[in-house]
Amino acid sequence: GAGVSQSPSNKVTEKGKDVELRCDPISGHTALYWYRQSLGQGLEFLIYFQGNSAPDKSGLPSDRFSAERTGGSVSTLTIQRTQQEDSAVYLCASSLYGGLTDSPDQYFGPGTRLTVT
Amino acid sequence: AQSVAQPEDQVNVAEGNPLTVKCTYSVSGNPYLFWYVQYPNRGLQFLLKYITGDNLVKGSYGFEAEFNKSQTSFHLKKPSALVSDSALYFCAVRDGQRGYSTLTFGKGTMLLVSP
Repeated sequence: GAGVSQSPSNKVTEKGKDVELRCDPISGHTALYWYRQSLGQGLEFLIYFQGNSAPDKSGLPSDRFSAERTGGSVSTLTIQRTQQEDSAVYLCASSLYGGLTDSPDQYFGPGTRLTVT
Repeated sequence: AQSVAQPEDQVNVAEGNPLTVKCTYSVSGNPYLFWYVQYPNRGLQFLLKYITGDNLVKGSYGFEAEFNKSQTSFHLKKPSALVSDSALYFCAVRDGQRGYSTLTFGKGTMLLVSP
């Protein structure tokens, strides 16, 4: 079956512009995660969605970052007024559920490489 | 707070030789440990995990990992390395302090297998 897909694969934008990154999770997976992979910070958790519930935004680095998930499936990560330090690979992952029992495996997409010039 | 340490930025090994990529962890409660691999311009691929049970966990592509509670380690191993194993390897621990599962990753170790 299809894995997690992300688009675009690469995005170059000018400082101060807004960008939208898209994630299509594996069908049937209720939990969806966004992570950021950058040279200085390694891999860091950003935000979590469980089904249609309101997301946990506690990992977002600033209020310029927001995310939504429509219909419990596709998710969009939006970065407003991009800064150079936002340059990173943004990874999306999904799992069957996000609970604490048995720690279901997270399946990652190929990522979106964002470059802010 | 949960944390993972990968002490080596890079590991070099010749093809056919055994390889070890080191990982140590610090968690409260029982550790749920994972290894992921990332090939160039690709996302993370799941290799294996330890939840409970046997300390030696077998995973994809011939990799295995040994859980050692006394040393708080979860080293990744393979008996005979392949050039195609060259990639970036991440150790991770489940972080449940938010009330759901997220992953806390180490910084990653680049594995280079020479022909």
